[in-house]
Amino acid sequence: GAVVSQHPSWVICKSGTSVKIECRSLDFQATTMFWYRQFPKQSLMLMATSNEGSKATYEQGVEKDKFLINHASLTLSTLTVTSAHPEDSSFYICSAGGIKGETQYFGPGTRLLVL
Amino acid sequence: SQQGEEDPQALSIQEGENATMNCSYKTSINNLQWYRQNSGRGLVHLILIRSNEREKHSGRLRVTLDTSKKSSSLLITASRAADTASYFCATAQIFGNEKLTFGTGTRLTIIP
Repeated sequence: GAVVSQHPSWVICKSGTSVKIECRSLDFQATTMFWYRQFPKQSLMLMATSNEGSKATYEQGVEKDKFLINHASLTLSTLTVTSAHPEDSSFYICSAGGIKGETQYFGPGTRLLVL
Repeated sequence: SQQGEEDPQALSIQEGENATMNCSYKTSINNLQWYRQNSGRGLVHLILIRSNEREKHSGRLRVTLDTSKKSSSLLITASRAADTASYFCATAQIFGNEKLTFGTGTRLTIIP
């Protein structure tokens, strides 16, 4: 149980295009999901908290107009990187949490390369 | 922002030896968790220790927590080549909702 999937697993796009990444909880409902970004050999940086049925909460320094988050159902959150640039190339990971502050279940990640 | 610092940043040991990683954090926490990440993959939850616990075991893993020093350690005993990965501590703050703040990570290499 507690499986989180992400799609796609990797994507290459041209600069200026938008990319949508999906995060799904496969066998449980998640009112809250989290989006992280990880640069090579670095730790995970929380970008935003995705709340089902309401607006996402973004961390300081994360542009909400650039990283659009939609949590349309209890099992799906999407992250859209709008007008992607090479500096947006990174590993994007989502997670879905249990009860407050408890174990989070992570997706396998999406590697984005912007040319 | 990163709350946790982990040391060492990298650790190489022979298979069969024990590996110890340390994590320090700055604010009061509800719990501390350890995760493993294989190269280019998602994170796997290893163990959670609550703020009122001092030690916890799971298989070959032993975690300690010292809230007075705001530090934790992860011990992997009898290491195996498959333990090669990056290990991260993550803290759940009191009143932090469900957010986790990750440490900088330790890259562990087990030499066969």
